[in-house]
Amino acid sequence: DVKVTQSSRYLVKRTGEKVFLECVQDMDHENMFWYRQDPGLGLRLIYFSYDVKMKEKGDIPEGYSVSREKKERFSLILESASTNQTSMYLCASSSLTGGPFYNSPLHFGNGTRLTVT
Amino acid sequence: KNEVEQSPQNLTAQEGEFITINCSYSVGISALHWLQQHPGGGIVSLFMLSSGKKKHGRLIATINIQEKHSSLHITASHPRDSAVYICAVKSDRGSTLGRLYFGRGTQLTVWP
Repeated sequence: DVKVTQSSRYLVKRTGEKVFLECVQDMDHENMFWYRQDPGLGLRLIYFSYDVKMKEKGDIPEGYSVSREKKERFSLILESASTNQTSMYLCASSSLTGGPFYNSPLHFGNGTRLTVT
Repeated sequence: KNEVEQSPQNLTAQEGEFITINCSYSVGISALHWLQQHPGGGIVSLFMLSSGKKKHGRLIATINIQEKHSSLHITASHPRDSAVYICAVKSDRGSTLGRLYFGRGTQLTVWP
């Protein structure tokens, strides 16, 4: 069974701190995604990656960066955390088997609830 | 404008009732996902479909591509079905090819 693991369930950081959110998947998936989820807004894509060292901006990349040095790990970085980045962050992965846009199922981590004070 | 609209936003039911959650979308799609999110945050993929109907236990998902509409049905609902149900579609067009668009979710509460 696919497992997507996010390093923290809850995180509290101060404004201006650099924050790292880590995500690891164990199924050799090519695609990895970072979303944030806010009440009334649903899931919004921050960044995604189709391969090691590849990254693409999603819909709301401002204030975030990502790193994918190894296939199984996709990190989300808040360079200088701000209170409007308080949110639930969800990592997901899927397989590229069959082609870049093959309809493979999504696998999500349990989420990290980040509070910036 | 949201590319994916779900209804209702909130749904309360008595145990045993038949439940329907609707999803309408405005983009061309290659697939539609139904997801379940329990309190605490983790999201589980329930169905991925591109045509017709799929069934898994008490859950049934249908899609009508011409009408750009999908429904998720739960038969004989149970309190453990209480969760947020999210519809997501995968675009098949142009610059948004392969991108996922999410609905805002339907909060389902089933009372014993």
